[in-house]
Amino acid sequence: GIQVEQSPPDLILQEGANSTLRCNFSDSVNNLQWFHQNPWGQLINLFYIPSGTKQNGRLSATTVATERYSLLYISSSQTTDSGVYFCAVEDYKLSFGAGTTVTVRA
Amino acid sequence: GAVVSQHPSRVICKSGTSVKIECRSLDFQATTMFWYRQFPKQSLMLMATSNEGSKATYEQGVEKDKFLINHASLTLSTLTVTSAHPEDSSFYICSANFGRGSYEQYFGPGTRLTVT
Repeated sequence: GIQVEQSPPDLILQEGANSTLRCNFSDSVNNLQWFHQNPWGQLINLFYIPSGTKQNGRLSATTVATERYSLLYISSSQTTDSGVYFCAVEDYKLSFGAGTTVTVRA
Repeated sequence: GAVVSQHPSRVICKSGTSVKIECRSLDFQATTMFWYRQFPKQSLMLMATSNEGSKATYEQGVEKDKFLINHASLTLSTLTVTSAHPEDSSFYICSANFGRGSYEQYFGPGTRLTVT
């Protein structure tokens, strides 16, 4: 099956800092999604981005499908950004990376 | 839009009993629904895929007789954990896709199952 690698595994930020999370995948995909899992376990859809660039407020994402990677940018981080960020890709099923745990300190 | 609900959010049951978890798409008709399992501090693993009115497709290693999935309508799928044992304790999350050329999945809030 398709392999999904996320880096870094853990990220500690000071409030107001910017950061980049990376997702590498091993094969062509139909779908790529970024999620934020909050402390209660709810997966919040951030981006549906099989290719191209999208922005939503302080978050933006870029997927370069031909090079099999995607980047999630968090700008001016806030404590509410803390949590686990998952990248998931789909060939015939949605496969999740191991996640990046982000901690934003006030 | 694209809201998925799950019920219950948390359930504790005794070993040997069965537990049913409901997944509903509230504001759209879901062509396909999915069930995932997440162990503490781990990622999500797909258990099965279900389409309305047809049998679920289970991932390798998932016991279909233990995890019964019914997708009775375009807005409701249920997962029944039969004869539950402590090792079935986990966080179960459903998702739904409304098709029409989009692969995007929308996730429910999850159900935390504890088997004593």
